[in-house]
Amino acid sequence: QKEVEQNSGPLSVPEGAIASLNCTYSDRGSQSFFWYRQYSGKSPELIMFIYSNGDKEDGRFTAQLNKASQYVSLLIRDSQPSDSATYLCAVNGDNFNKFYFGSGTKLNVKP
Amino acid sequence: DVKVTQSSRYLVKRTGEKVFLECVQDMDHENMFWYRQDPGLGLRLIYFSYDVKMKEKGDIPEGYSVSREKKERFSLILESASTNQTSMYLCASQRNEKLFFGSGTQLSVL
Repeated sequence: QKEVEQNSGPLSVPEGAIASLNCTYSDRGSQSFFWYRQYSGKSPELIMFIYSNGDKEDGRFTAQLNKASQYVSLLIRDSQPSDSATYLCAVNGDNFNKFYFGSGTKLNVKP
Repeated sequence: DVKVTQSSRYLVKRTGEKVFLECVQDMDHENMFWYRQDPGLGLRLIYFSYDVKMKEKGDIPEGYSVSREKKERFSLILESASTNQTSMYLCASQRNEKLFFGSGTQLSVL
């Protein structure tokens, strides 16, 4: 069983701060890494994906990948109350069709 | 926009009943998935299908079966529902690296 670990939180940050969400994975063969956002009572939606070591930026979101440490993170700059949600980390490996999800980190952004 | 539709938002069934969960996607995607989501356990893959009549077991297939007779429709079947199958069930279809999820079915087995 491939494992994807996340701190369940909740992670509380004030509005305007940087939120940092972390994820580790067990399978060194993992190729692709994803961050999904899930609002309460809703289904997950993809916000970022990253394949290569380093940083990938998209607006207020930055995904960071370190394959040597088997670690992927998501930074949310200028956090807004609308960012309050559960963030799911997912990876897939040599079988492109299989995605493994962490249990998610709940983020609360306080106005 | 991709649309993945699950037939029921809430279902209540009795132990031993046969349960069908239906999922339809409108984008001609080949790959479709069934996950269950439980608090603290995240999303766990039950089955996936990569073409009509083609299926593969995920990580927790026991007690479940699937059917894919048409490309747009992927059904999850609980042959004899049990209380430990009470969960949120999420269907997804895949385009490239992106999964598109349906709105989910909260199934309660009493």
